[in-house]
Amino acid sequence: KAGVTQTPRYLIKTRGQQVTLSCSPISGHRSVSWYQQTPGQGLQFLFEYFSETQRNKGNFPGRFSGRQFSNSRSEMNVSTLELGDSALYLCASSGTGQSTDTQYFGPGTRLTVL
Amino acid sequence: GNSVTQMEGPVTLSEEAFLTINCTYTATGYPSLFWYVQYPGEGLQLLLKATKADDKGSNKGFEATYRKETTSFHLEKGSVQVSDSAVYFCALSLSGNTPLVFGKGTRLSVIA
Repeated sequence: KAGVTQTPRYLIKTRGQQVTLSCSPISGHRSVSWYQQTPGQGLQFLFEYFSETQRNKGNFPGRFSGRQFSNSRSEMNVSTLELGDSALYLCASSGTGQSTDTQYFGPGTRLTVL
Repeated sequence: GNSVTQMEGPVTLSEEAFLTINCTYTATGYPSLFWYVQYPGEGLQLLLKATKADDKGSNKGFEATYRKETTSFHLEKGSVQVSDSAVYFCALSLSGNTPLVFGKGTRLSVIA
């Protein structure tokens, strides 16, 4: 079974631009979560989608948004990029998103904002 | 709130040494507990998990036991290898569809 895939793997943007990251979950998984990883803050939860609905949201500004499509693929968008948005963005999928479910992570998208 | 505290790294060990990485948690309820590992340049991989008190998760020689009385989930391995060098994250998830809460991570370096 193919794992979680994320595209692109690397991105370089400048302040003020916007960016869209894509995540394809494991086949059959309906829950997709996004996390931001930085050296200072560690791993922080952004949001979770299940059956095209945002089910949970972390404490991030409205510049961070996402969506999920009917095939469970998900995108996240960051508008008006700031230097502090430079991070590794990780996507994870699970069957139902329940606490006992294992979340399987993709390799991440490394975003650098100049 | 809900949180996970891991021992600060980095941890440097010689090959075949015994490994312990401490993890304690604070949670309102009965969480599921996880250890994830991140190798350089990669995403996170599940190492092991336990979903209820006294459960022991194990994988690839690593073990951790869910201790409700001490709110702990310490990771152990009897004999580490150079290939175990990575960052290890302890995490919890509460009942329902709540997200993972991660510790800060512990970097392990194993030298030959």
